[in-house]
Parts: sequence; C-alpha cells; structure tokens
Amino acid sequence: EAGVAQSPRYKIIEKRQSVAFWCNPISGHATLYWYQQILGQGPKLLIQFQNNGVVDDSQLPKDRFSAERLKGVDSTLKIQPAKLEDSAVYLCASSLDGTVYEKLFFGSGTQLSVL
Amino acid sequence: ELKVEQNPLFLSMQEGKNYTIYCNYSTTSDRLYWYRQDPGKSLESLFVLLSNGAVKQEGRLMASLDTKARLSTLHITAAVHDLSATYFCAVVSTGFQKLVFGTGTRLLVSP
Repeated sequence: EAGVAQSPRYKIIEKRQSVAFWCNPISGHATLYWYQQILGQGPKLLIQFQNNGVVDDSQLPKDRFSAERLKGVDSTLKIQPAKLEDSAVYLCASSLDGTVYEKLFFGSGTQLSVL
Repeated sequence: ELKVEQNPLFLSMQEGKNYTIYCNYSTTSDRLYWYRQDPGKSLESLFVLLSNGAVKQEGRLMASLDTKARLSTLHITAAVHDLSATYFCAVVSTGFQKLVFGTGTRLLVSP
C-alpha cells in the first residue's frame, strides 16, 4: 500500500517569497491534515480537511497561509509571503476516518528554510 | 486550551538500561497516542490508549495511562540502539477532535 506522498522534500527560499507544498494522501482516505513542526517542538495542526471541506483551520495564519483540497484527493499548502519564523517541517497526514486517530498516517514532510 | 508536556526533552542512555518518559496533559482526554519519529522520517504510530489504567506493550516499550492524574508513561526496558528516535505523545481532549502533540523526547541509546 502506498503511503502519504509529499513534495518537495526540501525547499529553501528568501523571506517574502512564496512557496507551495503538495500532498497526495493514501487512496480512499477522506481526512487530510497539514501539520507544522518547528525544530524541537511537536507537530501543530494547521488545517484539517474532510473530503474537500475544511473541518478545522483555527491555527492557520490566514493572512499568509492558504490550503486547498480540490476534488477531495490531493492538497496544496501555500505560504505567501514567507517569514523567517515559517522555517519548519510541514507534515501531511491522512486517515480513513477523521474520528479514528490511530489510523493517522504521516508523510515524510517538506523541510522549509526561509532565509 | 489543551497543553501536553513531556519530560525529559532529551535522554541519553546506555544499552541494557531501563528508563521512563513522562507525558502530562492539562485537560480531560478521550485518547492518548504515542508516536515515534526517526530523523528525516515520518511519524510512526506506536500505541493508542483509550481508558484509565490501559497498558500496551510491544517489544521493549510499554505505555500506560492514568486519566485521573492526566499522565501517561512510556517505559523502555533493556534499551537497544535501534530505539534511538524522538518519541511524541499526543492527546485528543474530551469533546474536541483535535490531536495535540507534546514537545517530544529525543532518545539516544549508546553501546
């Protein structure tokens, strides 16, 4: 079974530039999550989708971050413009059923460095 | 707001020794999870604990939950180098379906 795919693996940009990350969840998984993991900290939920609808985006900095999940499958997370404090690993995860967290599968993440 | 704290943040231990990682959380919870993360890798689910007194064991790792104390422990028995990784606990608070992670414990097992 293929896992959660993310790209790119690494990204280096200058502050005020834009960046986008892509995630392809496990086939059939209705729920998709984007987490931000700053070095030395635990992952923090940015946004949760159920199919193509947003369930929770309370911790998403909406002035600069946006995310979409068209057709309820792939998702993209965008930052525009980036700040130094956005340097982190961005993890995508998916689950078959959003209420059953033990079935949460994580991708390898995209490591973002903002210079 | 649910807060999850782990200690220690860093643990260096010798092979063959025992140790415990602690996870405290601030509000009532339905579920508690333990994850493992190797450098540059995905998070891997280890255990899910659903009720007070729950105990789960796999290999040299054993996790337990005390919901009254809002405390979970991850006990390592006779550590081996392959257990070197960062371990996270994560909690779902009662009434909410948001998974909140602890800060993680970086474990280094040396020969």
